[in-house]
Amino acid sequence: AQKVTQAQTEISVVEKEDVTLDCVYETRDTTYYLFWYKQPPSGELVFLIRRNSFDEQNEISGRYSWNFQKSTSSFNFTITASQVVDSAVYFCALSEGTLNFGNEKLTFGTGTRLTIIP
Amino acid sequence: EPEVTQTPSHQVTQMGQEVILRCVPISNHLYFYWYRQILGQKVEFLVSFYNNEISEKSEIFDDQFSVERPDGSNFTLKIRSTKLEDSAMYFCASSDWGGIQETQYFGPGTRLLVL
Repeated sequence: AQKVTQAQTEISVVEKEDVTLDCVYETRDTTYYLFWYKQPPSGELVFLIRRNSFDEQNEISGRYSWNFQKSTSSFNFTITASQVVDSAVYFCALSEGTLNFGNEKLTFGTGTRLTIIP
Repeated sequence: EPEVTQTPSHQVTQMGQEVILRCVPISNHLYFYWYRQILGQKVEFLVSFYNNEISEKSEIFDDQFSVERPDGSNFTLKIRSTKLEDSAMYFCASSDWGGIQETQYFGPGTRLLVL
């Protein structure tokens, strides 16, 4: 069974500091995808990134970067020079497996509430 | 930019009443999903739907729940007889292709409160 663990329940940092959100996953499949979603106070889920299990290259998008390490089953998310608008709950999610199309549910972690203090 | 829409944004109902939550997926998408999030908890998968039938459902999705695509644009979740524990945010999602590599885009959610 698949599982996603986000051990950090809440993090607070002062604006402009860097912050890293941890994500550890468990899966028996060799093919899987990892995702990060942002949930701002308004409640919607905003897609941030998708990575497949065959691509361990780190990715950078502006102030956001992601570090995927299969050896430790981790997919960590770093925000550089944080801003107040980054305050949100961030969810890591995993999709695994079969080639049965339409069967690819996302398993979410419990989320990390990030507060950026002005 | 195309987006998933959901109505209503909020719904309050009495225990035992039926509710229908509505979603309009992104227009060229073929795969549809419902998830729920009990307040302060993680997002949980309910059901996936493709080609007018359920692909997978979770243990949460019992006989009280049903889904339907009544026309070419809407995707609905019905709860026949609501319980207090059904109070949650319900998210609809869609993707344009099946397979684990496809990104699911979420709607803004419907917050359901059962009294």
